Amino acid sequence: SQTIHQWPATLVQPVGSPLSLECTVEGTSNPNLYWYRQAAGRGLQLLFYSVGIGQISSEVPQNLSASRPQDRQFILSSKKLLLSDSGFYLCAWRAGWTGGDEQYFGPGTRLTVT
Amino acid sequence: AQKITQTQPGMFVQEKEAVTLDCTYDTSDPSYGLFWYKQPSSGEMIFLIYQGSYDQQNATEGRYSLNFQKARKSANLVISASQLGDSAMYFCAMRGSGYSTLTFGKGTMLLVSP
Repeated sequence: SQTIHQWPATLVQPVGSPLSLECTVEGTSNPNLYWYRQAAGRGLQLLFYSVGIGQISSEVPQNLSASRPQDRQFILSSKKLLLSDSGFYLCAWRAGWTGGDEQYFGPGTRLTVT
Repeated sequence: AQKITQTQPGMFVQEKEAVTLDCTYDTSDPSYGLFWYKQPSSGEMIFLIYQGSYDQQNATEGRYSLNFQKARKSANLVISASQLGDSAMYFCAMRGSGYSTLTFGKGTMLLVSP
């Protein structure tokens, strides 16, 4: 069966510091991968998605970036965090072209920028 | 562009009763998919049910059913025989075109009382 991992689970970082959040998927190949952010009490905002290694699409311009160095690894980064980057970050995967449409989410990372 | 509207910020239901969570959508795509996710206090997004725009039958998954009314552009979630563990945020989402990105509504908080 498929499993999706995210770490760290929680993170407190000062403004201006760098960020690296990691997401890995097990039990599937060639997944589509997604990064979402959820502000407190709000819905999910899609940040990035990837259909393959090195292929990244950005949905919202911001100071965040994403990379996919391996098939089942997706990384969210920032060089300098802003207060507005605080939120709950969720990684999700979806089976490739031969799979269904539903996305499956990881446990999330709660980021607080101070 | 897709849009999902969930007009109920909060709903209350007694244990063992049925509850309907509303979702309306707007899209110009002839083919689309509709999803419901549950987000308990732990934060993880749990996939519940999926309805394709060309599906003739309403989707059902255990106690969850999706009341799909295409002409009204609504995709309401019906939970039968509510349980205390059903207390959570519920999000309606729609699949967009391209690489199956999802657009989420703002969610409905469901509280189930004994």
